Amino acid sequence: EEQLVESGGGLIQPGGSLRLSCAASGFTVSSNYMNWVRQAPGKGLEWVAVIYVRGSTDYADSVKGRFSISRDNSKNTVYLQMNSLRVEDTAVYYCVRDSSNWNIFDYWGQGTLVTVSS
Amino acid sequence: DIQMTQSPSSLSASVGDRVTITCRASQSITNNLNWYQQKPGKAPKLLIYTASSLESGVPSRFGGSGSGTDFTLTISSLQAEDIATYYCQQSHSSPPWTFGQGTKVEF
Repeated sequence: EEQLVESGGGLIQPGGSLRLSCAASGFTVSSNYMNWVRQAPGKGLEWVAVIYVRGSTDYADSVKGRFSISRDNSKNTVYLQMNSLRVEDTAVYYCVRDSSNWNIFDYWGQGTLVTVSS
Repeated sequence: DIQMTQSPSSLSASVGDRVTITCRASQSITNNLNWYQQKPGKAPKLLIYTASSLESGVPSRFGGSGSGTDFTLTISSLQAEDIATYYCQQSHSSPPWTFGQGTKVEF
């Protein structure tokens, strides 16, 4: 059975760093585009970052230069390193698979909450 | 960036009603439009991809249409379990891949 389990969220002060993890089972992350999508409390969905099959990456302008997506193929896990966190980064962060490689988000994890507050 | 605009932002309907949600892109995205359903406290779920293709396991009362800049999600006969917020998302060319602001369907 396919599964995505996010972890690493929590309360962090502005300017701090946090690393989110997304452990996959039932499929191989390196064979799919893997994304992070976030949702601020009571708000809509915002795409954050993608790591492609070849390992290259793309980011939303709002996080470019502060966030970094990576993967560990041996652990079948995707990461989101978040630095210089801002209050406006507060959100539930979802790990999302795109098995089509056409930017269609076909499987979502349950999400992990990141709260940036002093 | 391509902007996605959904209407209405919310709607009230009854069981058995036909429900229509529209999504408009700021430029042509051909058929690169996907629909998601999100129930309270849950992750979004893919319903429709490439404008009109039904994701496996999704009930046939859900349907999608459109191309270019104008798209529609239709629920042919609303069921109680369809109460949720629905989002469109464009998957055209390069990132960022943007979502509509959501349409909340209530009774």
